[in-house]
Amino acid sequence: QLQLQESGPGLVKPSETLSLTCTVSGGSISTDNYWGWIRQPAGKGLEWIGGIHYTGTTYYNPSLRSRVTISVDTSKNQFSLKLTSVTAADTAVYYCGKHEMWLVSLHFWGQGTQVTVSS
Amino acid sequence: DVVMTQFPLSLPVTPGEPASISCRSSQSVLHTNGYNYLDWYLQKPGQSPQLLIYLGSNRASGVPDRFSGGGSGTEFTLKISRVEAEDVGVYYCMQGLHSPTTFGQGTRLEIE
Repeated sequence: QLQLQESGPGLVKPSETLSLTCTVSGGSISTDNYWGWIRQPAGKGLEWIGGIHYTGTTYYNPSLRSRVTISVDTSKNQFSLKLTSVTAADTAVYYCGKHEMWLVSLHFWGQGTQVTVSS
Repeated sequence: DVVMTQFPLSLPVTPGEPASISCRSSQSVLHTNGYNYLDWYLQKPGQSPQLLIYLGSNRASGVPDRFSGGGSGTEFTLKISRVEAEDVGVYYCMQGLHSPTTFGQGTRLEIE
């Protein structure tokens, strides 16, 4: 069974860079799928941040594009998120997931990791 | 961006009764391959979202058959034939045809 696990600092200072990694186990990341990042502020809805194919092709949410980089490391079966110049508005639970087809159908999700932006 | 609009936003239901949630997209999410790139997710309290229905009408693995999805183009519906206590949570529709992928605001189902 495919499993995804987010990891990274739970606390980031304002103006610094948020860095998270999603480790994929039980299957290869080198499949014809997009791997995505989604976030959810407390008590609010879901926001798609972006997705990456194992070949390196990326798609980003335009609302975050200037600050976001998603990368993949096939040797480690991981993909990563970097979000620069964070503010309190970036405080959220961050999820990684696997799109089964194009950028739709997230059959597998990580458990999520809370990231708080605070000094 | 494609705007996903769900209604109602709050849905009180008596156990054993049916329930229905609607989702409207600002653009068609029907692909030329005939599939609607529209999913339904349930987020139970304190959990990650889980896929219920994918590509408009296909139940995900392990999803009870009391859940069904329908619609095409820009209008979609999630139906629960008989609500159970374990169905409590927030339901989201999501389109993935047009980047960026976008979610509806969520519909909170609660048991009366």
